[in-house]
Amino acid sequence: DTAVSQTPKYLVTQMGNDKSIKCEQNLGHDTMYWYKQDSKKFLKIMFSYNNKELIINETVPNRFSPKSPDKAHLNLHINSLELGDSAVYFCASSPRGSGSSYNEQFFGPGTRLTVL
Amino acid sequence: AQTVTQSQPEMSVQEAETVTLSCTYDTSESNYYLFWYKQPPSRQMILVIRQEAYKQQNATENRFSVNFQKAAKSFSLKISDSQLGDTAMYFCAFGLPDSWGKLQFGAGTQVVVTP
Repeated sequence: DTAVSQTPKYLVTQMGNDKSIKCEQNLGHDTMYWYKQDSKKFLKIMFSYNNKELIINETVPNRFSPKSPDKAHLNLHINSLELGDSAVYFCASSPRGSGSSYNEQFFGPGTRLTVL
Repeated sequence: AQTVTQSQPEMSVQEAETVTLSCTYDTSESNYYLFWYKQPPSRQMILVIRQEAYKQQNATENRFSVNFQKAAKSFSLKISDSQLGDTAMYFCAFGLPDSWGKLQFGAGTQVVVTP
């Protein structure tokens, strides 16, 4: 009964490759997020989707393209991977993004991406 | 823009003792939410406690409690009766209502509980 799941958990790839990370939530939440945690553990939001619609798009290189086929899924595709993309990527979801009484977010287990 | 500052990179505490983690934030808003998240070695991010700015009463969750000082923009976390399982990275986070859940995280404080 995993709430927010991500695949794969680990991803090792060469510079220049294209890769995808998948995220699924079974909580019935409307809003999903992608965060990046760098080597110093700093966590920063990248994207947010509400009911398949892009809501937040932080300053992220356009090599990163999120896709939400339905409100339970939010995938992250990365083109032309660079060394600096090495990080842990977290997917999260919350019941409602806007107007909520609070913004509690439920996180997935993270995907550790290593670019060689 | 809001900023969240955690000034303690690492703290060590013995089992059964108490440790307090500091967090300060900067905002011009009057209504907002504050959170403490825990990230153990397993990497999973877990919500520890939350506080609504309009509530004066400090939130508590079992051994975890906060000291929310709105005027000082301070939101510290106290862990009482520390247990080995409390060893983790702790992140303070700030969120605004109607912001589509965007959270601003602090840099984190690594807590190590020793026997």
